[in-house]
Amino acid sequence: EVQLVQSGAEVKKPGESLKISCKGSGNGLTTNWIAWVRQTPGKGLEWMGIIYLADSDTRYSPSFQGQVTVSADKSSNTAYLKWGSLKASDTAMYYCARSFNFWGFFDVWGQGTLVTVSS
Amino acid sequence: IVLTQSPGTLSLSPGERATLSCRAGQSVSSDYLAWYQQKPGQAPRLLVHAASSRATGIPDRFSGSGSGTDFTLTISRLEPEDFAVYYCQQYGSSPQTFGQGTKVEVK
Repeated sequence: EVQLVQSGAEVKKPGESLKISCKGSGNGLTTNWIAWVRQTPGKGLEWMGIIYLADSDTRYSPSFQGQVTVSADKSSNTAYLKWGSLKASDTAMYYCARSFNFWGFFDVWGQGTLVTVSS
Repeated sequence: IVLTQSPGTLSLSPGERATLSCRAGQSVSSDYLAWYQQKPGQAPRLLVHAASSRATGIPDRFSGSGSGTDFTLTISRLEPEDFAVYYCQQYGSSPQTFGQGTKVEVK
C-alpha cells in the first residue's frame, strides 16, 4: 500500500524561502507521478505541478510556472515543493498526491502541509 | 476547463438519495472526470475516476455517470459518514482543474 507523508506546518515571513516535502512509501512508487495541489478558501483546489519520481520529468500549471519549483529525490521516494520568495497569498494548505500519469487522477494523498505567510 | 458544481449545498437526511452535478465549460476529453470526498481536517479521498469507475474500497452506494460536459455523482442512501464536501476534477486537459465543491449537510 502506497502512503505519502508530508512535512509539518510552517510559519514564514514574506520574502523568505521554503521547501516542503512529501515522502512516499510502498511498492512501485518510483514509477509513479507525484503532484502538488493547493487548497485555499477562496480558490478551492488547484493543481500546481507534477513530477515523475524515476527521472524528475516535471510539468507545471501555467498559473504556477515560475512561482514554485517541484523537485524529487528518487533514492528516498521524496518529492519537494519550493518557493524562492514567499508572499502572503501563498498562505494555503498544500497536498501532495499520487498519480499513475502526468494527466491522471489522484488515488493517494498526503495529509497536507499548512503554510502560513505573515509579517 | 472550468467545472461548475451544483448545488453549492445539499441539505438531506440520512437514508436519502443525493444527486450532485458537475458541468464542464467544454467537453472533457475521454470522460476523464473524477470525484473526491473531503471531510474537515482531512485530505480529499478518491471516489470515482473515468466518470463511472469506483475507486478501490469505495462502497457501491456511490456511483458516477455522465459524459462530455455533464456528469453526476449519486449517493443512493446517505450514511452518517457521507456528510462532507464533494469535488469533481477533470484530468483530460492540461492544466487539470477542480470544481468549487458541493457540501452535503445534515438537514
